[in-house]
Amino acid sequence: SAVISQKPSRDICQRGTSLTIQCQVDSQVTMMFWYRQQPGQSLTLIATANQGSEATYESGFVIDKFPISRPNLTFSTLTVSNMSPEDSSIYLCSVGQRNRGYTFGSGTRLTVV
Amino acid sequence: QKEVEQDPGPLSVPEGAIVSLNCTYSNSAFQYFMWYRQYSRKGPELLMYTYSSGNKEDGRFTAQVDKSSKYISLFIRDSQPSDSATYLCAMYQGGSEKLVFGKGTKLTVNP
Repeated sequence: SAVISQKPSRDICQRGTSLTIQCQVDSQVTMMFWYRQQPGQSLTLIATANQGSEATYESGFVIDKFPISRPNLTFSTLTVSNMSPEDSSIYLCSVGQRNRGYTFGSGTRLTVV
Repeated sequence: QKEVEQDPGPLSVPEGAIVSLNCTYSNSAFQYFMWYRQYSRKGPELLMYTYSSGNKEDGRFTAQVDKSSKYISLFIRDSQPSDSATYLCAMYQGGSEKLVFGKGTKLTVNP
């Protein structure tokens, strides 16, 4: 299965600022996925990123708040914009294929103060 | 009603015990089912992947799917302290790549 490197592993940010999270995969993949894991809550899909097209966002998530880039088949970034304490969470990227399962990065633990 | 329900525990067992972890779901369109293990401060690690009803075994782990009851289980035999982690069930529909997760069950195996 693919190996995913995610940076930063953790960060503490001031409210109103933005943080960009990077996800690097060791092989070319068509789709990359971004998830959020809030304390005590289920992992929730934010958006799906295909190379060469706009990301597809799930209900409750918007591009202005979570812009995503997907410049090539091994890399993606997720930006958390204009942060508030409610954005404190773990953000995870994932790759995989239907019929084979999905692999996750180690996550970015974000605290907004 | 949430799409996927999972008892968050915590669940504490002695070493060597058989552990049973369960999830129920409401969406009959779910066809693919997974179990992930997540250690503290780590990302989820895929343990088991199943399609359709039935059992699948891998070492000490057995995944069971009962589509008629909308119920999935993960059994861990001869549990070890290294099995202490949070276990997440996840599932998705055919034609979709969106995983829907349970909240996870925190397991502690005591030596």
